[in-house]
Amino acid sequence: AQKVTQAQTEISVVEKEDVTLDCVYETRDTTYYLFWYKQPPSGELVFLIRRNSFDEQNEISGRYSWNFQKSTSSFNFTITASQVVDSAVYFCALFTGGGNKLTFGTGTQLKVEL
Amino acid sequence: EAGVAQSPRYKIIEKRQSVAFWCNPISGHATLYWYQQILGQGPKLLIQFQNNGVVDDSQLPKDRFSAERLKGVDSTLKIQPAKLEDSAVYLCASSLDRAGEVYGYTFGSGTRLTVV
Repeated sequence: AQKVTQAQTEISVVEKEDVTLDCVYETRDTTYYLFWYKQPPSGELVFLIRRNSFDEQNEISGRYSWNFQKSTSSFNFTITASQVVDSAVYFCALFTGGGNKLTFGTGTQLKVEL
Repeated sequence: EAGVAQSPRYKIIEKRQSVAFWCNPISGHATLYWYQQILGQGPKLLIQFQNNGVVDDSQLPKDRFSAERLKGVDSTLKIQPAKLEDSAVYLCASSLDRAGEVYGYTFGSGTRLTVV
């Protein structure tokens, strides 16, 4: 069975602070893909990143960075110098060939205030 | 590129009534998904189509939910009769590859259903 845990239900920060969203996953498959999605108040899920299980390189995209550590089954997401527009619910998701579907965590509500 | 289109955007119905949602995926995307997102939870897969065939409907409550994808393009999800616990956002997504593992999923804006 596959599972994604996002222990942080809600995080509030002040603009320009850095914030890290945690994601821990469980799977017995050796080949899998990890995703992060952003869900703004408008409701659509916006794709942010995909990482396969064989690529443990961390990635940076502008103010966003991702830290993938297989040893701890974690795929954490950091926003540097947060902005009000970053306010949204962020979902971590796991795809495995065995499950053949995308399993989402429960999401982390990020509130960035002025 | 046009995104995944869904309608209606909002729907309020009374329990025991019927409701239908429509989804038009991105052109050329063979795989289409319906997800249910209850408030405060992550999306849960209801059904997955590959062209017009069902790949996975293991979590679809088949006594009241049905879905079809005629001609392998548009899809309709129906609930009949609706229950209070069906109140949720219904998200449609599509992917270019078989299960979205390579190219990812593109989601629509969803239909917010309220059952009263």
